[in-house]
Amino acid sequence: NAGVMQNPRHLVRRRGQEARLRCSPMKGHSHVYWYRQLPEEGLKFMVYLQKENIIDESGMPKERFSAEFPKEGPSILRIQQVVRGDSAAYFCASSLGGAQNSPLHFGNGTRLTVT
Amino acid sequence: AQTVTQSQPEMSVQEAETVTLSCTYDTSESDYYLFWYKQPPSRQMILVIRQEAYKQQNATENRFSVNFQKAAKSFSLKISDSQLGDAAMYFCAYRSGQETSGSRLTFGEGTQLTVNP
Repeated sequence: NAGVMQNPRHLVRRRGQEARLRCSPMKGHSHVYWYRQLPEEGLKFMVYLQKENIIDESGMPKERFSAEFPKEGPSILRIQQVVRGDSAAYFCASSLGGAQNSPLHFGNGTRLTVT
Repeated sequence: AQTVTQSQPEMSVQEAETVTLSCTYDTSESDYYLFWYKQPPSRQMILVIRQEAYKQQNATENRFSVNFQKAAKSFSLKISDSQLGDAAMYFCAYRSGQETSGSRLTFGEGTQLTVNP
């Protein structure tokens, strides 16, 4: 049973370009969470999605960032017009349900570097 | 909003010795969960141990145990018989018991653990 798959593992973008980060949750999981980890810091919550719905996006910057989790296919975190401050590791996690006893499984992250 | 504080940016321990990592949190909720995650250089987030707030008994997983002090809002991790493979960044995390929060976690800033041979 494959775990949470994130790709690419590393992504390099120039300032002003778009970055698309993909996350395939564990099989059967319908809840997806995105976190950002800046260098030397802990993970910060960005957005919580269920299939076709954004449940909580309170941690996501209001501009340039968007996330989706379509009925078919992976969840996508999209960053438009990237700036150097967007350089970070972006982690996706999934759970079977939204209940508190539903364990969270993390992917290995995508490291975004903006040059 | 809940906050999680890890006051030790770095810790070191001799192989086979015991080390304790500190974590405090702030919340007005009575129902919640606490976790310790390990992040080695590979960046993978590995769940080490979990504690339900309603349980008085401290969780234990092999060489890893916690000291959960609910009144003091303290949740420290003890690693016994430290091994070289324990070297990693350790994160303390909080999860609300409210359904609307789902499985969302609030993380501390991390403690970098070095294990000396």
